[in-house]
Amino acid sequence: DGGITQSPKYLFRKEGQNVTLSCEQNLNHDAMYWYRQDPGQGLRLIYYSQIVNDFQKGDIAEGYSVSREKKESFPLTVTSAQKNPTAFYLCASSIAPGLHQETQYFGPGTRLLVL
Amino acid sequence: DAKTTQPNSMESNEEEPVHLPCNHSTISGTDYIHWYRQLPSQGPEYVIHGLTSNVNNRMASLAIAEDRKSSTLILHRATLRDAAVYYCIGNFNKFYFGSGTKLNVKP
Repeated sequence: DGGITQSPKYLFRKEGQNVTLSCEQNLNHDAMYWYRQDPGQGLRLIYYSQIVNDFQKGDIAEGYSVSREKKESFPLTVTSAQKNPTAFYLCASSIAPGLHQETQYFGPGTRLLVL
Repeated sequence: DAKTTQPNSMESNEEEPVHLPCNHSTISGTDYIHWYRQLPSQGPEYVIHGLTSNVNNRMASLAIAEDRKSSTLILHRATLRDAAVYYCIGNFNKFYFGSGTKLNVKP
């Protein structure tokens, strides 16, 4: 089955700790995205990558970092600089580079909580 | 900033049609209009998309205004499983998933 997987489902972060959220896709998609969703709110774009070894900041990139070393993988690191990381994190992918016309396929999400 | 405007919430009775509106007045000629829906604690799910013509698929229909500054997602017969938050997005709002429209379906 093709799809997007995110792990873990729940993640707990201690103060000052960096944590990494995993996102893997086997859809052979070039583009991948990370969104953050706060309770009762919509999704906000953190980072996106249109091709391997390249990525761009979204609207709320501060306190986050990403890498795209493989086409299938787009991990997101929530650094200690992100002061309010508690949220639902969603990863998505689309067939081709470019945001304006491609359908995005979403993973099941990771819920990050601060201890 | 380019934004879309959607009602915060709508209500429908089961098995009745639902028309979910979206205004996107800053859309450009090459911007596709996408609709997604999201169930609680799940990732958004693609519903439908279009550019100029009205579009139909097994889930819904999309009616696009002639000037393309608004569109309407049509669920022909709402079911309880259609209760979700519906988002209208595209490059005209930089794929910004705003608060969307929360659809409540009454049995």
